[in-house]
Amino acid sequence: QVQLVQSGSELKTPGASVTVSCKTSGYNFNIYSINWLRQAPGQGLEWMGWINPNTGIPTYAQGFTGRFVFSLDTSVTTLYLQISGLKAEDTAVYYCARDQRVIQFDYWGQGTLVTVSS
Amino acid sequence: QSVLTQPPSVSAAPGQTVTISCSGSTSNIGNNYVSWYQHLPGTAPKLLIYENNKRPAGIPDRFSGSKSGTSATLGITGLQTGDEADYYCGTWDSSLSAGGVFGGGTKLTVL
Repeated sequence: QVQLVQSGSELKTPGASVTVSCKTSGYNFNIYSINWLRQAPGQGLEWMGWINPNTGIPTYAQGFTGRFVFSLDTSVTTLYLQISGLKAEDTAVYYCARDQRVIQFDYWGQGTLVTVSS
Repeated sequence: QSVLTQPPSVSAAPGQTVTISCSGSTSNIGNNYVSWYQHLPGTAPKLLIYENNKRPAGIPDRFSGSKSGTSATLGITGLQTGDEADYYCGTWDSSLSAGGVFGGGTKLTVL
């Protein structure tokens, strides 16, 4: 069965970096893009962008350029979200999600809480 | 400020029917498929509707989707207490270079 399993919660201080992983299994890794989304406390879902599993080329939504990096390792069918220069406003639950077409997310990771606090 | 507009909350009694609207523009809903998600606290969102009105396997037919012009609607019949959740609409916005957009979410309360 299709599974997306994310790494555990993180507590970071401002200015630090964090990497969230998303291990996929149960389907052909090369067929579906993986998207990243976040939900800040009390806020709605926000689309961050996606990464092409064949080329590894990422696409970032407005507001997620510069400090955010999507990457992947096809050998272990795992995707990564790295955030550098963390700010308090980066505190959120981050999700990876498989896109069956365009903004049709049929499988999701369980979410990773990233807390940025001094 | 979300690109797509949803009511912040709706409520209805068990067994009743509720609809949740999602309003956009020609660059997003008007020319692209809409999907809907159910989000229960502490869990991952679940795809309820894709391509405006299709249900993934395992989603009961109590859930339905429709689209007209630049608006979409999620309908839920035979409300159950387990339906109490946040609901989000999403689509692509062709006016953006990277255009995934969502509504702000609607909190459904089953009274």
